[in-house]
Amino acid sequence: EVQLVESGGGLVQPGRSLRLSCAASGFTFDDYAMHWVRQAPGKGLEWVSGISWNSGSIGYADSVKGRFTISRDNAKNSLYLQMNSLRAEDTALYYCVASSGLYYFDYWGQGTLVTVSS
Amino acid sequence: SYELTQPLSVSVALGQTARITCGGNNIGSKNVHWYQQKPGQAPVLVIYRDSNRPSGIPERFSGSNSGNTATLTISRAQAGDEADYYCQVWDSSTARYVFGTGTKVTVL
Repeated sequence: EVQLVESGGGLVQPGRSLRLSCAASGFTFDDYAMHWVRQAPGKGLEWVSGISWNSGSIGYADSVKGRFTISRDNAKNSLYLQMNSLRAEDTALYYCVASSGLYYFDYWGQGTLVTVSS
Repeated sequence: SYELTQPLSVSVALGQTARITCGGNNIGSKNVHWYQQKPGQAPVLVIYRDSNRPSGIPERFSGSNSGNTATLTISRAQAGDEADYYCQVWDSSTARYVFGTGTKVTVL
C-alpha cells in the first residue's frame, strides 16, 4: 500500500523558517518525481514545487521561488521542503505528492498544516 | 500565466449525469487530469490524460477534451460522488503545473 506521511508543520511567525518532511513507502520511491501541493483554508489546490527522480530537474511556483527549497533523499525514501521567509499567505495544508512523471499526480499524502501568524 | 476556469458548483439529481467543465485557452492541445477531493480528505486522481481512469475508479467517471473546454462526466451519480473536483494541466510554456478553480458537486 502506498503511503506518504508528511510532518514538520506547525505555527510559525512571519519571517521565520520551517522544514517539512515526507516519508514514502509502498512504492519504488526513486521511480517517481515528487511534489509539494498546498491548499489554503477553504481554497483550491496550488502546486508549490517539484523534483525529478534524480534531483536533476527542480521547479517552483513563482509565489515561493527564492524562499522555498525542495530536496529528496532516495536512500531514505524521503522528500523535504525548506521554507524560509514565511508569510501569512503561506498558511496552508501542504501535501506530499508522487508523480509517475507524466505530468499528473498519482498519490497524495494526508497533508501537514502550516500556519504563519504572529 | 495559463488559467483554468471551472464553475463554482454543479448540482445533479441522484442517478443522473453531472458534467463539470474546465475552460482554458486551447486546452484541447494539452493533457487534462482530474481530481476528486471529499471533505477532510486528500485529493484522488480520477481521470488522467483527458479520458483514462486509474485502477479502482468506477467506469461512471469519464473525460473528454477539445477546443477550449475539457469535461469530466459523472454518470449515474451517487451520494458518494459529492466532492470538490479539480482539473489540472502541465503548462509547458512556463514549466508550471496549473490547477483549475475547483467545482463543488452536490447530489440532490
